[in-house]
Amino acid sequence: NAGVTQTPKFQVLKTGQSMTLQCAQDMNHNSMYWYRQDPGMGLRLIYYSASEGTTDKGEVPNGYNVSRLNKREFSLRLESAAPSQTSVYFCASSLQPSRFNTEAFFGQGTRLTVV
Amino acid sequence: DAKTTQPNSMESNEEEPVHLPCNHSTISGTDYIHWYRQLPSQGPEYVIHGLTSNVNNRMASLAIAEDRKSSTLILHRATLRDAAVYYCILRDGSGAGSYQLTFGKGTKLSVIP
Repeated sequence: NAGVTQTPKFQVLKTGQSMTLQCAQDMNHNSMYWYRQDPGMGLRLIYYSASEGTTDKGEVPNGYNVSRLNKREFSLRLESAAPSQTSVYFCASSLQPSRFNTEAFFGQGTRLTVV
Repeated sequence: DAKTTQPNSMESNEEEPVHLPCNHSTISGTDYIHWYRQLPSQGPEYVIHGLTSNVNNRMASLAIAEDRKSSTLILHRATLRDAAVYYCILRDGSGAGSYQLTFGKGTKLSVIP
């Protein structure tokens, strides 16, 4: 089972460039999430999608946009990258929205550096 | 989500049991206790969760205090592969809570061969 797949695994951007991080899950999960993790810190929620066709802001949404393309795919876009967005980005999915206490499955992460 | 307190780091010898503590004195009656762990350079993975009773699965056991203000994740025989950061997270099970898993800094477990 592939689980949650993120692409790319590594990326270096120049300030002001744009890019899209891709995430796909093959577990038929309804809910998907994007988190960022800065060095020595826990994960913080950027955006989530409780079900296909819906997206909502998390704790740190500024500078990001998301698209729930279909039930499998949830992308994260940086329109104009800034050095403060240097981080490791994790995509996650769960069968139900988080409040139902189903476990979340995480991808391997995308390590993004903005110079 | 309510806050949890965990030690920054712990050490264990290989093949010995490990008890990872978590304090959550402001826990509400509908909060579930979840544990995730993050191996080096990987995404977090689910370990276990519970509400009031102790729970066991193939990875670990979760012991919950009677007043639910603290809990302990128990790894019965630590292996080198268990070296990771362990996160204790409270999740609102009432349906009214937020969607996010709120990760603190967790406990970094080192396993000594």
